[in-house]
This record gives sequence, structure tokens and C-alpha cells, in this order.
Amino acid sequence: DVKVTQSSRYLVKRTGEKVFLECVQDMDHENMFWYRQDPGLGLRLIYFSYDVKMKEKGDIPEGYSVSREKKERFSLILESASTNQTSMYLCASSIGTLYNQPQHFGDGTRLSIL
Amino acid sequence: GESVGLHLPTLSVQEGDNSIINCAYSNSASDYFIWYKQESGKGPQFIIDIRSNMDKRQGQRVTVLLNKTVKHLSLQIAATQPGDSAVYFCAEKRGLTGGGNKLTFGTGTQLKVEL
Repeated sequence: DVKVTQSSRYLVKRTGEKVFLECVQDMDHENMFWYRQDPGLGLRLIYFSYDVKMKEKGDIPEGYSVSREKKERFSLILESASTNQTSMYLCASSIGTLYNQPQHFGDGTRLSIL
Repeated sequence: GESVGLHLPTLSVQEGDNSIINCAYSNSASDYFIWYKQESGKGPQFIIDIRSNMDKRQGQRVTVLLNKTVKHLSLQIAATQPGDSAVYFCAEKRGLTGGGNKLTFGTGTQLKVEL
């Protein structure tokens, strides 16, 4: 089974702080994704990466950056946290783009910005 | 995907009955679709997928039907059990745009199983 692990289930930070969310997958997947999930809005793609050191903006990249130094690890960075970034953050991974394969998700990090 | 709203559509079924959850997708060029189940406090869990060259695909107690003419996807759950209570949402692959197999997600349907 694919295992996607997010480092924290719950996180509370203050406005203006730099926040790091970590995600690790154990299936040697090329693709990794960061989403946020808000009531009524579904899952919205923040950033994704299809290879080490490669990244592309998703639908809502403003206020976020990412890092992928190793294939198994994908980090989401909130440069200066704001209250409107309070949300559930979900990481996912999938096999390379040549195949139609599902994304597999971690259990999420519920982030509160005070 | 499904229309966005503040409240999830809810489907209530009796234990043992069959459930049908519907999804309208937006892009006629989408060629791959997935159903996910999300239980409270957990991440989305893959249930079943279907490619656009198929109309129907069956798994264990679940069937996905694809109607490309009207851009409609449905998930059928046979003999619904209390453990099936969750939010279900569909996703469509946006197509290869530089890589990544990006998906567009619907907002979901809350399935409640009544004993």
C-alpha cells in the first residue's frame, strides 16, 4: 500500500510566522501535490512537483512556496502566515505522467493561524 | 466538477440498501476519473477509477458508471454498511499539461447510513 505521511496532524502558528509542512511518500512516486481543503470549496491545488527540484504552480500558489530536494519528500512553506491560510492541508503523490493512476493522500495537517 | 456550495449534498440510506452518488464533470476532454472516500479526520482514500474508453467498472461492492454524452459519473455502493458513511467526491484528470496528472475535484456528497 502507498503510504503518504504528513509530519503533523494539528499545528497552531501565529500571524507572520514562517511555517513548514512536511510530506513523505514511500512508493518512489514521481509526482507530489499540495492541496488545501476548505468547506464548500473542495480541494484546491497549491503546488505540485513532477520531479526532484521541479515545481509548478497550481490554482492558488499565492503566499506559498515549495521545496523538493529528495524524491520522497515535498515541503510546503507559508512564507508569512496569515489568518486566511487557516485550513486543512493535504499532500498527495502519484506515479509518473505516462500512466493514468490515482493520487494517494496523507491524512492532512489542520493548520490554525492565530 | 460539482457545483460549489457551502453545504454538502447529503444522501441518507438505510443499512443494506444500495447507494448511488452522482457527479457532473466539466471537461469533455477528460479521459480519466476517480472516486474518493473521505472519512472524518482522514485524508481522501482512493475507491475506484475509470478511463474514458469504458462505460462501467466494478470493484468490491462498488461500481462506477461513466456517461460521456452528458458528462456524468456515478458511484454505486451495494449493500451499504455503516462503515460507508463518509464524504464521497469525484475527480477528473485535467490532461497532460507539462506533467503531473493534475486533477479537478468535485465538492463532494455526504453519505449517511442509517441503522
